[in-house]
Amino acid sequence: AQSVSQHNHHVILSEAASLELGCNYSYGGTVNLFWYVQYPGQHLQLLLKYFSGDPLVKGIKGFEAEFIKSKFSFNLRKPSVQWSDTAEYFCALKHSQGNLIFGKGTKLSVKP
Amino acid sequence: NAGVTQTPKFQVLKTGQSMTLQCAQDMNHEYMSWYRQDPGMGLRLIHYSVGAGITDQGEVPNGYNVSRSTTEDFPLRLLSAAPSQTSVYFCASLTNYGYTFGSGTRLTVV
Repeated sequence: AQSVSQHNHHVILSEAASLELGCNYSYGGTVNLFWYVQYPGQHLQLLLKYFSGDPLVKGIKGFEAEFIKSKFSFNLRKPSVQWSDTAEYFCALKHSQGNLIFGKGTKLSVKP
Repeated sequence: NAGVTQTPKFQVLKTGQSMTLQCAQDMNHEYMSWYRQDPGMGLRLIHYSVGAGITDQGEVPNGYNVSRSTTEDFPLRLLSAAPSQTSVYFCASLTNYGYTFGSGTRLTVV
């Protein structure tokens, strides 16, 4: 069965620290992977996506993610976080039927 | 989230009441879906539709009905609300660039 795992439930960082959020998926076919961000009280916004090609994907707000097929991973990174990055982050896999399968999310708290 | 409109934004229901959550998109997207979001659970798929007249169940369909009479609208119906349906509900439509989500409906069942 297709699934997505996010390793960290809650990450706390100081401003300017580097960020890496883990995401692993389970699926043997061609993958479409996404990272979404949800700021407090708001809807989900697309940060970046991987469909094919360059495994290093750059998204909005300075985020990037690397698709490593051999590790079934799609980790999200940012070199230097800001207080405004405080949010919940969701990794998602596009199901073969077209639906999105979400991980349980990682809450990021950035201390000013 | 331009293009996917959800109403209402907030709703309080009593156990046993019914209601319909509205979702509309004006982008002529064929694929639409409903998710519920609960703390620590991520988003779970309730129902989805690949086009007018076609719907199917997702991961957590019990207690919910959907219909898709037009491409634009995909309402979610709660037949007899239960406290377990207290959640935030998101509608989404699929674009060529990914999924666009509505702003959500926060539902409380007391």
